[in-house]
Amino acid sequence: EDQVTQSPEALRLQEGESSSLNCSYTVSGLRGLFWYRQDPGKGPEFLFTLYSAGEEKEKERLKATLTKKESFLHITAPKPEDSATYLCAVQARTGNQFYFGTGTSLTVIP
Amino acid sequence: NAGVTQTPKFRILKIGQSMTLQCAQDMNHNYMYWYRQDPGMGLKLIYYSVGAGITDKGEVPNGYNVSRSTTEDFPLRLELAAPSQTSVYFCASIDMNTEAFFGQGTRLTVV
Repeated sequence: EDQVTQSPEALRLQEGESSSLNCSYTVSGLRGLFWYRQDPGKGPEFLFTLYSAGEEKEKERLKATLTKKESFLHITAPKPEDSATYLCAVQARTGNQFYFGTGTSLTVIP
Repeated sequence: NAGVTQTPKFRILKIGQSMTLQCAQDMNHNYMYWYRQDPGMGLKLIYYSVGAGITDKGEVPNGYNVSRSTTEDFPLRLELAAPSQTSVYFCASIDMNTEAFFGQGTRLTVV
């Protein structure tokens, strides 16, 4: 069964304190792994897509990496405006469904 | 280019009532999805469609129905609303192998 597990559930960081969010997945052949940011009361907003192990993508203070079993979202020197819930989703090669994790709620304290 | 538009934004239903959540996209995407999001539970797939005239069940389809008569529109129908259907509903559209675009959500309360 295809599954996505995110950890930790919640993370509090001081401004400037770097850390990583984890997304572990089990899927029968990965087509793509997706990271989204969700602000309260809004729909998820796309951040990255990763397709194969070893791939990395960066955007401002965020960097996403992918292995055969998990993905990390590294946050370097976070700012309060990075506070949000970060969602991970995977899509299998067979089928058209996207499976989402439950998210990591990040709070960055000034 | 509006992206994905969901209406209404908020709705309160009484038990047993019916309603349709509207979703429209103007990006000519073939793939469209309906998710529900409950606190601490992540996004659960209700139904999806890979093109006009084609729909399929997701993880939690019971109590819902969908139709896809055009590429642009993908309405979600709730028949006989129940308190368990209280949730935030998100519609998304995707051009395969690219990012998914989400609507702003419909917050539904069944009382």
